[in-house]
Amino acid sequence: GNSVTQMEGPVTLSEEAFLTINCTYTATGYPSLFWYVQYPGEGLQLLLKATKADDKGSNKGFEATYRKETTSFHLEKGSVQVSDSAVYFCALVGKFGDDKIIFGKGTRLHILP
Amino acid sequence: DTAVSQTPKYLVTQMGNDKSIKCEQNLGHDTMYWYKQDSKKFLKIMFSYNNKELIINETVPNRFSPKSPDKAHLNLHINSLELGDSAVYFCASSQGSRAVYNEQFFGPGTRLTVL
Repeated sequence: GNSVTQMEGPVTLSEEAFLTINCTYTATGYPSLFWYVQYPGEGLQLLLKATKADDKGSNKGFEATYRKETTSFHLEKGSVQVSDSAVYFCALVGKFGDDKIIFGKGTRLHILP
Repeated sequence: DTAVSQTPKYLVTQMGNDKSIKCEQNLGHDTMYWYKQDSKKFLKIMFSYNNKELIINETVPNRFSPKSPDKAHLNLHINSLELGDSAVYFCASSQGSRAVYNEQFFGPGTRLTVL
């Protein structure tokens, strides 16, 4: 079945550091890929998405590129801020009749001032 | 002005009890969901309703019963609570039921602890 694997956290970085959170997926066909973010005390929010190979999703300085050849959708940001501290979830939705979002385990990110 | 709200935020109860978690959305969406996040942080869908009709029902014990009195509400009732039910439960909503096309908006979660 479809699945998402993302790097274990927590990830701790200093402000203005470069961020990468790895995400790989297993799916039949070409799923749509998502990153969700959960800030402390809040529900998950859609951060960005990509629906086909080589698409790049971007939002709030975050980017992720849909790489079919490596089945990956790594999240990157060039210069993180303390306000980026949150839990980040990689997710997919399969293309063939399955309307469920499959989430990764989440990666907690701590940004130190 | 919370878009998707859940009550209570925390729920601590004894094994064997029956409890309910309420969810309301003020976004005018047609589809609502319940997710469970277990102790290992896996977030999995349990149910979804579209226009008050059940459309996704994952392999969930029948002690869990969702109830949708109207499009804006989807409550989760749990009978005979067990230790393994301890988790964070998230409600969500979306305009349509096709997950690939419709962004889901999540509530803040209800942390259930069964003692």
